[in-house]
Amino acid sequence: KNQVEQSPQSLIILEGKNCTLQCNYTVSPFSNLRWYKQDTGRGPVSLTIMTFSENTKSNGRYTATLDADTKQSSLHITASQLSDSASYICVVSSQYDYKLSFGAGTTVTVRA
Amino acid sequence: NAGVTQTPKFQVLKTGQSMTLQCAQDMNHNSMYWYRQDPGMGLRLIYYSASEGTTDKGEVPNGYNVSRLNKREFSLRLESAAPSQTSVYFCASTARGRGYEQYFGPGTRLTVT
Repeated sequence: KNQVEQSPQSLIILEGKNCTLQCNYTVSPFSNLRWYKQDTGRGPVSLTIMTFSENTKSNGRYTATLDADTKQSSLHITASQLSDSASYICVVSSQYDYKLSFGAGTTVTVRA
Repeated sequence: NAGVTQTPKFQVLKTGQSMTLQCAQDMNHNSMYWYRQDPGMGLRLIYYSASEGTTDKGEVPNGYNVSRLNKREFSLRLESAAPSQTSVYFCASTARGRGYEQYFGPGTRLTVT
């Protein structure tokens, strides 16, 4: 069964600090990996999408990395802001399947 | 361009009652999806529709039915609600089957007592 594991489950950081979220997956054959941001009470919104050949992609202060060999990804948030408080979800797509495999998410709380 | 819209936003049902969750997208997307999100778990696929006129079961279809009314609209029906169906339900759409970005609606928070 395809699985996506995220760590940590939650974290608290001070405004202005950096943090890194981890995602490990077993989905095979791999097609692409996405990071979504989900604000409380809202639907997920895409931050980045990476294919097999991409190992880094940025979206403003968000930088995602992918190591397809070790099946690991990370999402780095630089100079965090209060608006970064949200759940961040790692999603992996298989080449042969219509389904997306979702991680449980990492809840980030940014405090002033 | 509203994207993906869902109604209602909140709903409380008694066990055994029925209801339909509505979803519409104005992006001319072919594929539409229904997910449920429970605490501590990733989103799980209930049903999906690859194109107008087709629907298929996802990971957790029991207790649900769907209708792809036209290209824009995809509804989810609970025929006899159970407390285990208490969840947040999200509708999503993509331009193509699985490789393209999914756009999510705002969600429907359903409580079954």
